[in-house]
Formats: sequence, structure tokens, C-alpha cells
Amino acid sequence: DGGITQSPKYLFRKEGQNVTLSCEQNLNHDAMYWYRQDPGQGLRLIYYSQIVNDFQKGDIAEGYSVSREKKESFPLTVTSAQKNPTAFYLCASSGGRATYNEQFFGPGTRLTVL
Amino acid sequence: DAKTTQPTSMDCAEGRAANLPCNHSTISGNEYVYWYRQIHSQGPQYIIHGLKNNETNEMASLIITEDRKSSTLILPHATLRDTAVYYCIVRSYTGTASKLTFGTGTRLQVTL
Repeated sequence: DGGITQSPKYLFRKEGQNVTLSCEQNLNHDAMYWYRQDPGQGLRLIYYSQIVNDFQKGDIAEGYSVSREKKESFPLTVTSAQKNPTAFYLCASSGGRATYNEQFFGPGTRLTVL
Repeated sequence: DAKTTQPTSMDCAEGRAANLPCNHSTISGNEYVYWYRQIHSQGPQYIIHGLKNNETNEMASLIITEDRKSSTLILPHATLRDTAVYYCIVRSYTGTASKLTFGTGTRLQVTL
């Protein structure tokens, strides 16, 4: 089945360590996104990519980095510079339809920094 | 993008219609109204979108007022599985990538 996978579902890291979250899609979508969600809050955009080898900062990019070497993959690295990394991280993708951009979301990764 | 205003929470009895309102008084002519929902600890799920005409799909109906300053998402026969946070988002189409701005949404509780 087509979809978006994120792994792992739960991730624990020590403070000061970098950690990379995986996001893979087999929907043949050009655009991919990373969002962060804190308890009781809406989603906030971290980074997005419209095409391979290209990406742009979202609203809260500081302390994060991404790469887009393949169309199917958009990994997110949470660096030690991110002051409050504990959160629920969601990856999404969208195709290039002419009339709207429905985003498909993965199941999310819950990151806890100890 | 235009800002949206939604009630914080709503209740609905199972089997009844759930009507979720959204105000977007500053919406511009090329902006679409999208609805997503998020069941606890899962990724958001697309429900429906529209520009100015009313829309219906297998999940819901979207009613947009003539002046486009507000809209209502209708779940015709709510079930317990419809308990979720519902997000109303206004967004213009700008190409392949569309940045969606999620507010805090409406928490819908469907009860027996």
C-alpha cells in the first residue's frame, strides 16, 4: 500500500546528542514536510522540500537540519542546538495537483530527550 | 494566509450530525478552505477542501458562506471514532509545496 512511514514510533535520547528521524514515502510525491507538535498545540512547520536536493526553512527551523537526496526520503536531524527537542514529530508529503495540495501524514515519532 | 477562528471544544451525540464552525473573515479570493482532523497521537488526516462551492465526499460536507468569511464542516452521522481535533485551515495554492498553518483546532467529543 502507498503511504508514509516514520520510524521509530518512540525515541529516547540523552541531552546533547544529535538524533535523526526517518521519513519515507512511496506515493511518488514531490513535496515533503516536517512538523513539530507540542502537547495541546497545533502543528508547526520545521522544514519543507519541493523537490530533490532542495529544501526551505519553515517557521521553526533553528536547531534542525534536513536533507533530500532521494525523492522518497526526507530525514530530519534534531541537533543539540535545539533547546526543547522533546515533542511529537510529523512528516507529510504532497503531490503536484493542479487544484489543491492535500498533505498525507505519517504516524509520527515521539522524541523524548532525557 | 488568512487566520481562522474555531471553538475550542464541542460535544456531539453518536448518530447525530456534528457541525463544526470556522471563521475566516480575512480570506482572499484565491484561498481555499481545508479541513483536517487528528485522532489522538496520530498524524492528521485530510477530510475535505473547498474554494466557494459547497463540497461533499464520503467523510463529510463543507458548507462555505456566500461571502466566504465562514464555513461549517458537517459530519452527518457522528460515531465514537470521529472523536478528534478538527483543524480548519485557509491556504492559497502556490505550486507544488503548500505550507499549512495549523491552529489549535476544535476538540470534538462524540458521546453515547
